Amino acid sequence: DTGVSQDPRHKITKRGQNVTFRCDPISEHNRLYWYRQTLGQGPEFLTYFQNEAQLEKSRLLSDRFSAERPKGSFSTLEIQRTEQGDSAMYLCASSFSGNNSPLHFGNGTRLTVT
Amino acid sequence: AQSVTQLDSQVPVFEEAPVELRCNYSSSVSVYLFWYVQYPNQGLQLLLKYLSGSTLVKGINGFEAEFNKSQTSFHLRKPSVHISDTAEYFCAVSDPEGAQKLVFGQGTRLTINP
Repeated sequence: DTGVSQDPRHKITKRGQNVTFRCDPISEHNRLYWYRQTLGQGPEFLTYFQNEAQLEKSRLLSDRFSAERPKGSFSTLEIQRTEQGDSAMYLCASSFSGNNSPLHFGNGTRLTVT
Repeated sequence: AQSVTQLDSQVPVFEEAPVELRCNYSSSVSVYLFWYVQYPNQGLQLLLKYLSGSTLVKGINGFEAEFNKSQTSFHLRKPSVHISDTAEYFCAVSDPEGAQKLVFGQGTRLTINP
């Protein structure tokens, strides 16, 4: 079990640029989640997939954000035209599909928009 | 809608002393309850969870928590802390009928002093 892997660990970008993050879940897990964590706050749910289907998106996920999981394995989260308010830690988690199945989190991608 | 309140943003304690981190939740439906720990620059690791059954739940690293439905609380305790317990602790809830969209509290920073 290699755990949930996220790449890159850190990303610094200028306002207005596009960025893309990648998440590789635990291979047996069919659910994949994205959360955002700003400084001093708990993580906030953004979206989740069951296999390749994106089943729910939070209101926090503006139209500048898009997530994909094309083959039901890894996922990407893209932010277009980044703003300083997008600076945060972006966490990916995966789980089995049972509602009592615990989430396993990756170490996150820290985004800094200058 | 569900919400979580962690009553203390910071808790300093001396090594080998007992500690309690407080968590209250609000929900119109039954809930699953979780405590996660986050070490610096890392993702979240599950400490323990309450799904049903016994209200006293034991987790990893010597932590335990008690579910109190009448008080809508899920406080985390450890009888004797170590320097290595220094971290951020998050309480979270989810709806058993939905996917695991965790709602987190704002976190409690536990600092252990020698």
